[in-house]
Amino acid sequence: GQQVMQIPQYQHVQEGEDFTTYCNSSTTLSNIQWYKQRPGGHPVFLIQLVKSGEVKKQKRLTFQFGEAKKNSSLHITATQTTDVGTYFCADQERGGSEKLVFGKGTKLTVNP
Amino acid sequence: DAGVTQSPTHLIKTRGQQVTLRCSPKSGHDTVSWYQQALGQGPQFIFQYYEEEERQRGNFPDRFSGHQFPNYSSELNVNALLLGDSALYLCASSFRTSGYYEQYFGPGTRLTVT
Repeated sequence: GQQVMQIPQYQHVQEGEDFTTYCNSSTTLSNIQWYKQRPGGHPVFLIQLVKSGEVKKQKRLTFQFGEAKKNSSLHITATQTTDVGTYFCADQERGGSEKLVFGKGTKLTVNP
Repeated sequence: DAGVTQSPTHLIKTRGQQVTLRCSPKSGHDTVSWYQQALGQGPQFIFQYYEEEERQRGNFPDRFSGHQFPNYSSELNVNALLLGDSALYLCASSFRTSGYYEQYFGPGTRLTVT
């Protein structure tokens, strides 16, 4: 079935350093959604990417969708302690239920 | 505007028992999806309900069943609980359109099976 791989599994940074997580698939992704889950919390929607090569920015966060729609990335510039959490990418199937297929996530810890 | 609510927040059950989890979608949403999130893993799709019918099902056994009520709220039932069913159960709601849409997740129900 459809699989979404996410790397790295863990990332520890010093506050102020940049952070990037990558999402890959062997098959073409339909559309990518990114979620953030704080420790003990639930996934919160960040952004949706639909078009090949799409780049979207939210303050210090930059989201990219690959030209071949087989990969995506989330980059955080100058991390802050509030960025701590697990970042998930999810491919949303087209048609039918539009269910989300999640990667395993990247757990980010930030040392103040 | 209330977001997605789930009850109970925590639950402890014994192997072989049955459990019912409840979800109320965000106001204005008509579709409810259920996900299982094991510790350290991403959420896995269980099934989705729209217009009181199960629309799609993930790779979960028949022990997992659900229901959607006319007010769009939903229940997830799990029979014959196994230790491996211990997880965070997330409900996500959305408004079904012809395009892509974000899903709003509830706080989840933490189920522990002993």
